[in-house]
Parts: sequence; C-alpha cells; structure tokens
Amino acid sequence: DAKTTQPPSMDCAEGRAANLPCNHSTISGNEYVYWYRQIHSQGPQYIIHGLKNNETNEMASLIITEDRKSSTLILPHATLRDTAVYYCIVRVYTGNQFYFGTGTSLTVIP
Amino acid sequence: DTEVTQTPKHLVMGMTNKKSLKCEQHMGHRAMYWYKQKAKKPPELMFVYSYEKLSINESVPSRFSPECPNSSLLNLHLHALQPEDSALYLCASSLDSSSTDTQYFGPGTRLTVL
Repeated sequence: DAKTTQPPSMDCAEGRAANLPCNHSTISGNEYVYWYRQIHSQGPQYIIHGLKNNETNEMASLIITEDRKSSTLILPHATLRDTAVYYCIVRVYTGNQFYFGTGTSLTVIP
Repeated sequence: DTEVTQTPKHLVMGMTNKKSLKCEQHMGHRAMYWYKQKAKKPPELMFVYSYEKLSINESVPSRFSPECPNSSLLNLHLHALQPEDSALYLCASSLDSSSTDTQYFGPGTRLTVL
C-alpha cells in the first residue's frame, strides 16, 4: 500500500489560509487521496478526496501535483475550531481499507 | 443523515469480563468497519464487513470477536482483554466497498481494561 508522509505539527494564524502538505511518492495511478481530520477524542471527519484533479468543497480545497506524488490541503480561512489532527490517506482502488498516516497536528492561533 | 452511533461512550472492564461494543448506522451503508486508536496514534483498521460478511481481519487477536447481525448493526465482543487493549474503538461505515465511497466515523468508545 502507498504510504503518506506529513509534518507532525503546524501552526496557523486565525483567519489565514492553512496549507497542509502530504507526500505520497509511491501512489499508484488508481489510488485516491483522502483527507480526514480528528478533533480531540472525536471520530475522524471526512474533509475531501481526489484522484488527479484539484477539488474544492465547502470545507477545503485539495491540490494534487501533476505527478500525483504530493498534495496540499488548503483551509482558506482557518478558525480556532479547525484545530485538529489532519490525516492524509491513500486509498487502494479495489479495497475499502483506509490506512491512516501519522497525521499533522494543526493548531490555529488567535 | 450521516450519523454513525456507538455505545457505550466509555467502558471500564476487568481482564476476566465479557463486554460488547455496539455500532449502528441508518444510512443504508453495506460496508462497516472497526478501528482501534491508541493515544496520540492514528486509527488502525481491525475488521471490515461487506454485505454483512467479514471481508477483512487485520490479524486481530481472537479476544476481539466482531459480529454483524444485520446491515445496520455492528458489534465487537470483548473477552479476556489485556490492559494494553485500552484504546478508543472507532466504528465507520460506507455505502459499499467502492474506491470512492467515503467512510463515516462514529464518535468512538473509550475502553479501559484494568
């Protein structure tokens, strides 16, 4: 299975964009990139996913590089409620297994 | 409604006890999952049920026994657990096993084994 690498922690000022990077250099052509976040002691919450095109929804934007070896999750206007651990996951096409990486702990600072 | 419910919220049990965790969803999903999450670690997949049949067991010890009585309900039966089994147990569901199916997670059961 493809692995992901994320920085262990990041800070972001409230109201600014938070850009969370993820490396997935061994990703295969039919594997999707998913992003989830987990606020302390709660269940993970789905944010967004993509295959090769950039994606945007009401929560965030996902930018995937052309070679698909890395991606960036963008929270356009971070709030204190966005403080959480953010997981980048590469999902195999034929399976329903999610293998979580170690995640990035994002702290939004007032 | 994208809610997955889990009961109980907290559970404390001794090593000789038998207990069960319950997970329920009413979204018509046909795939359900159990994950285990230790403190400050990412969730780890334990079991996957697809159409009420166990499709994946990630080499989980037999003291954990999953059960899927129907498409809306998933149980995890616990027996003779060890203190190191203390963790947050998360349930999730998805529409199917398709590659684009989003997994929706419940809030988890915080288990403490004494």
